[in-house]
Amino acid sequence: DAGVIQSPRHEVTEMGQEVTLRCKPISGHDYLFWYRQTMMRGLELLIYFNNNVPIDDSGMPEDRFSAKMPNASFSTLKIQPSEPRDSAVYFCASSFSGGGRETQYFGPGTRLLVL
Amino acid sequence: GEDVEQSLFLSVREGDSSVINCTYTDSSSTYLYWYKQEPGAGLQLLTYIFSNMDMKQDQRLTVLLNKKDKHLSLRIADTQTGDSAIYFCAESRDSSYKLIFGSGTRLLVRP
Repeated sequence: DAGVIQSPRHEVTEMGQEVTLRCKPISGHDYLFWYRQTMMRGLELLIYFNNNVPIDDSGMPEDRFSAKMPNASFSTLKIQPSEPRDSAVYFCASSFSGGGRETQYFGPGTRLLVL
Repeated sequence: GEDVEQSLFLSVREGDSSVINCTYTDSSSTYLYWYKQEPGAGLQLLTYIFSNMDMKQDQRLTVLLNKKDKHLSLRIADTQTGDSAIYFCAESRDSSYKLIFGSGTRLLVRP
C-alpha cells in the first residue's frame, strides 16, 4: 500500500491567492483527518470526515478554510484567500474504524508558505 | 481542559535508555498514543495503550501509564542515533476519533 498521499509536497504562494491541498487516504479507510502543524500552536486538528461526511470542523480557523471529501478516495483543503499566518505544514491522516481507533496513518504533509 | 503536556527536549547518549514523559488532564481518555516524527516527515504511530492497562512493552519500547496521576511515559531501551526525532504524546476519548496532541519532545541521541 502506498500509504496516505498528499500533494503538493511544497507550495509557495502570495497572499490573497487560493491554495488547494489534496489528499488520497489509504484504500478502505473510512476516517480522514486534516491537521495543521506550526511551531507556535503545535499539531491542531482542523476537520475530520467519516464515510465522506464532515463530523467535526470545530478546528477550522475561519471561513477562509474549507474542506471537501467528494468520494472515499479523495479530499481537498482549500484556503481562499491565503494569508501569511496560514504558513504551516498541513497533514492528512486516515484510519479504519474496523481496525481500532489506534491506527491513524499520516501522510508526509504539505509545506505551505504564504508570502 | 484539553492540555497534553510534554517536556520540550531530551538528550541522551547512544546506548542509554531514554524516558519521555507526558501528562494529560482528561480522565475520560480511553487511548493514549506515542507518535514519532522524523525531520521533514509525517507522524508515525509507535505504540499505544488502552487506559485500563498500566504497561505495554513492544521490543525496545515500554509504555507506562499512571492513570491516577494522568502520567504517561515512553521508555526507549538501547537508544540509537536513528531514534533522534520528535515524539508526540496524544490522547483520544470515548466518543470521538479526535486526537489531542502534546507539543512534542525533541530527542537528540549523541554518539
